[in-house]
Amino acid sequence: NAGVTQTPKFRILKIGQSMTLQCTQDMNHNYMYWYRQDPGMGLKLIYYSVGAGITDKGEVPNGYNVSRSTTEDFPLRLELAAPSQTSVYFCASSLVAELAKNIQYFGAGTRLSVL
Amino acid sequence: EDKVVQSPLSLVVHEGDTVTLNCSYEVTNFRSLLWYKQEKKAPTFLFMLTSSGIEKKSGRLSSILDKKELFSILNITATQTGDSAVYLCAVAVGSNTGKLIFGQGTTLQVKP
Repeated sequence: NAGVTQTPKFRILKIGQSMTLQCTQDMNHNYMYWYRQDPGMGLKLIYYSVGAGITDKGEVPNGYNVSRSTTEDFPLRLELAAPSQTSVYFCASSLVAELAKNIQYFGAGTRLSVL
Repeated sequence: EDKVVQSPLSLVVHEGDTVTLNCSYEVTNFRSLLWYKQEKKAPTFLFMLTSSGIEKKSGRLSSILDKKELFSILNITATQTGDSAVYLCAVAVGSNTGKLIFGQGTTLQVKP
């Protein structure tokens, strides 16, 4: 079972470059999320989506954009990379039939360095 | 502002020890509390707690929630080196978003 798949696993960017982090899930989950995790810290929510065509900001959305054209895919776009965006990025998804049972399943992460 | 705080931030024990990890929270519109284990890669789900006082168990791990005092504990008995990981506590908030607020995590190292 593939679950949540993220690509690439690692990437080094120069300041000002742009890139898209890919996330796809094959569990037919409605909800998808993007987090970043800085060293020694928990996960901070960047953006989330409750279904195709619907996205909303999380705690730390500045410098990022997302789209959700299909149920399966939820790409995260960095337009002008900055050193502050050096982090590990996790994508997650959940099937929220009942909110009290919301369990998010995570991808393996993308380690991004901006130099 | 919603907040989840874990303690201790790091812990070193020897195999066979019992550990208790703490998670306190201050959030609006609490839905549930979740524990995840993270071993260098993706966080993996351990427990979800929605009601006070009901202990969840899985082998040597157990967890309990106190909704009056706004905290949860995760216990690991007879620790093994394979328990070495970051343990993340998260609280689900909001009505239709499924959003999670994470604590900083507790790094557990179990020495042989």
